Amino acid sequence: AQTVTQSQPEMSVQEAETVTLSCTYDTSESNYYLFWYKQPPSRQMILVIRQEAYKQQNATENRFSVNFQKAAKSFSLKISDSQLGDTAMYFCAFMKDSGGGADGLTFGKGTHLIIQP
Amino acid sequence: EAQVTQNPRYLITVTGKKLTVTCSQNMNHEYMSWYRQDPGLGLRQIYYSMNVEVTDKGDVPEGYKVSRKEKRNFPLILESPSPNQTSLYFCASSLSPPGNEQFFGPGTRLTVL
Repeated sequence: AQTVTQSQPEMSVQEAETVTLSCTYDTSESNYYLFWYKQPPSRQMILVIRQEAYKQQNATENRFSVNFQKAAKSFSLKISDSQLGDTAMYFCAFMKDSGGGADGLTFGKGTHLIIQP
Repeated sequence: EAQVTQNPRYLITVTGKKLTVTCSQNMNHEYMSWYRQDPGLGLRQIYYSMNVEVTDKGDVPEGYKVSRKEKRNFPLILESPSPNQTSLYFCASSLSPPGNEQFFGPGTRLTVL
């Protein structure tokens, strides 16, 4: 079974600063996918970024980028130029490739990110 | 608009009273799944379905049932709800896994007294 660990229950930074959220995972799978989901106060789950484990290049989406270290089983999320609207819970999630990925997503417990004005 | 809808959004009920939470998607997705979210635990998968008439247990299936008679619908059934099923429930759908983005519904807040 896979496990996903987010070691920072809560973080707080000033607007416009850069912040990095940590995520580590444990798996015996060699092929898998990693995701970061954002959950604002509305509770809606929104995909932030996605990474295929077989790709060396780190995924980026505008102000969001990841640092994927496969050997270390680490998948951190960096948010640049943070904005008030980035305030949310952030969940790291894992999906294995074997078995067609039918098991769905395995989530970490989340990091509550607060952007201060 | 492409979306996953859930009903009801909020529900307060009593122990033992059967209830159904509906989930519907309009994206022709093969894969659908139910998760529950509890404070400090993240989201955990309850059941999933790879296609019509194909369902399987996730990590926390006890006390729940599902059915997939139509591609667009995936209802979650609690035949005899108990207080430990008080939670926030999410339905999600995607194209056939692995790796595809799962689109989530808005969530259903369930309280069992």
